[in-house]
Amino acid sequence: EPEVTQTPSHQVTQMGQEVILRCVPISNHLYFYWYRQILGQKVEFLVSFYNNEISEKSEIFDDQFSVERPDGSNFTLKIRSTKLEDSAMYFCASRNGEAFFGQGTRLTVV
Amino acid sequence: GQNIDQPTEMTATEGAIVQINCTYQTSGFNGLFWYQQHAGEAPTFLSYNVLDGLEEKGRFSSFLSRSKGYSYLLLKELQMKDSASYLCAVIRDDKIIFGKGTRLHILP
Repeated sequence: EPEVTQTPSHQVTQMGQEVILRCVPISNHLYFYWYRQILGQKVEFLVSFYNNEISEKSEIFDDQFSVERPDGSNFTLKIRSTKLEDSAMYFCASRNGEAFFGQGTRLTVV
Repeated sequence: GQNIDQPTEMTATEGAIVQINCTYQTSGFNGLFWYQQHAGEAPTFLSYNVLDGLEEKGRFSSFLSRSKGYSYLLLKELQMKDSASYLCAVIRDDKIIFGKGTRLHILP
C-alpha cells in the first residue's frame, strides 16, 4: 500500500543551525502539506503545496521556513536558524481526496 | 475564523459505542477527515466526508451535515486499543485545519 515516508525519524540540532526535513509523498498525489505538533498540543498547519508552488501558508510559516520540491518525488521543509521552540514533531501529508500522513520527524533543538 | 470544536476528553467502556462530535465554521469548507492518533505517533486516516450523510467502515462510521457544520465519529464494539486521541480536520480552501482532538479513554 502506498505511503508517505519521512526522513530522518529523529533529528537533534544545535540552536541556530539549519535543518532539512525530507518527505516522499504518495506518487500520484497532487497536494502536499507540512504540519507541526509541539508535544501535548494540536497538529498545526504550516504550508500547503500544489502545482509546484505554495498554495497556502500559516502565520507560523515565516521567513525562517521554506519548502521545495527538488525533483519529482521529494518534498522538503527547510528550517533556518533553529530556535528552542522549533522542537516538535513535523509531519508531511499528501492527498488527492484522502489525506495520508508520514510517520513524522521528531526535531529536538538544543 | 478557523474554529473546530470537539470535546477534550471522553470515557467509554470496552464493548460499548461512543460518538465523538465535531463542529466547525462552514466558510470555505471542502471536506472533513477523522484521524486516530496514539501518543507520540502520526495521525492515522480513519474517514473522509465530502457529502452529507453517513460513511461506514467496519467498526467506525462518520457522519457529516454541511449545512449545520457538524460531524461525528461513531466507534462501535470498543476495544482497549481504541484508547487514543481522535482528530477532526476540515479542508478549508487549500488547507487542512485540525481541531484540538478528543482523548478517548476505554475502561475494561
